[in-house]
Amino acid sequence: GAVVSQHPSRVICKSGTSVKIECRSLDFQATTMFWYRQFPKKSLMLMATSNEGSKATYEQGVEKDKFLINHASLTLSTLTVTSAHPEDSSFYICSARDQGAHTEAFFGQGTRLTVV
Amino acid sequence: AQSVSQHNHHVILSEAASLELGCNYSYGGTVNLFWYVQYPGQHLQLLLKYFSGDPLVKGIKGFEAEFIKSKFSFNLRKPSVQWSDTAEYFCAVRGTGTASKLTFGTGTRLQVTL
Repeated sequence: GAVVSQHPSRVICKSGTSVKIECRSLDFQATTMFWYRQFPKKSLMLMATSNEGSKATYEQGVEKDKFLINHASLTLSTLTVTSAHPEDSSFYICSARDQGAHTEAFFGQGTRLTVV
Repeated sequence: AQSVSQHNHHVILSEAASLELGCNYSYGGTVNLFWYVQYPGQHLQLLLKYFSGDPLVKGIKGFEAEFIKSKFSFNLRKPSVQWSDTAEYFCAVRGTGTASKLTFGTGTRLQVTL
C-alpha cells in the first residue's frame, strides 16, 4: 500500500513553545489529509481536514488558532501546535487519501507529543 | 452525523478460539466501511474494507467481515485467532465523497492468550 510518513515520531517541548508535525505522502498525491488525536485507550478523534491549497476544516471544539494546519502541496501537510500546554500532550496521527472516491486512507506512524 | 459503535471494549480469547467483533454504524447514505488494526507500538494498518459488491469481504491475516445493510453492521470475524492477533481493532465508516471524513469506533482491545 501507499506510504504516509509522519515526522517527528516523538517530541518533548516546554510549555509555551510551538511544535510542528509534518505529514508526507511518499508515493501518491493527497488532495485531502486528515489530522487525528488519540487519547490513551480511546479512539481517534478527527481534529481537522486539510485540503491542498485551501483552509483546513476544523471539527467542532478544535481551536483553529492553537492547531494550525497548512497543506501547501499535494504531498505535505503540517500541524503546528502553538503555545503548547501539558494538556496538549497526546498522540497525533495524520492520514492521507489518494484522489478518487473509492480509495482508502493511509496513516502515518503518529507523533507522541509531550509538553512539560 | 455519522457514528460508529463497537460494543466489545476488551476481549480475551485463547489461541485457536473464534473471534467476532461487533460494529454498528449510523450514516444517512452510501458508506465505505473499514477495519483497522493497531498492534502495540505501531501505527494503524488496514485489515479490510468494503466499498461495494459482495458484502462478505476478506482481508489480510485470515480476517473477514460481513456488511449487513439492514442491520447497519460490519462485524469482523476470524475462525481461529493467534497470539500475534493481540492488538486494538477499530471499525470506521465514511461516506463516498472524495472529502468524506472517516469516523472511528472506540476500538476493541483483543488479548489472545496462549
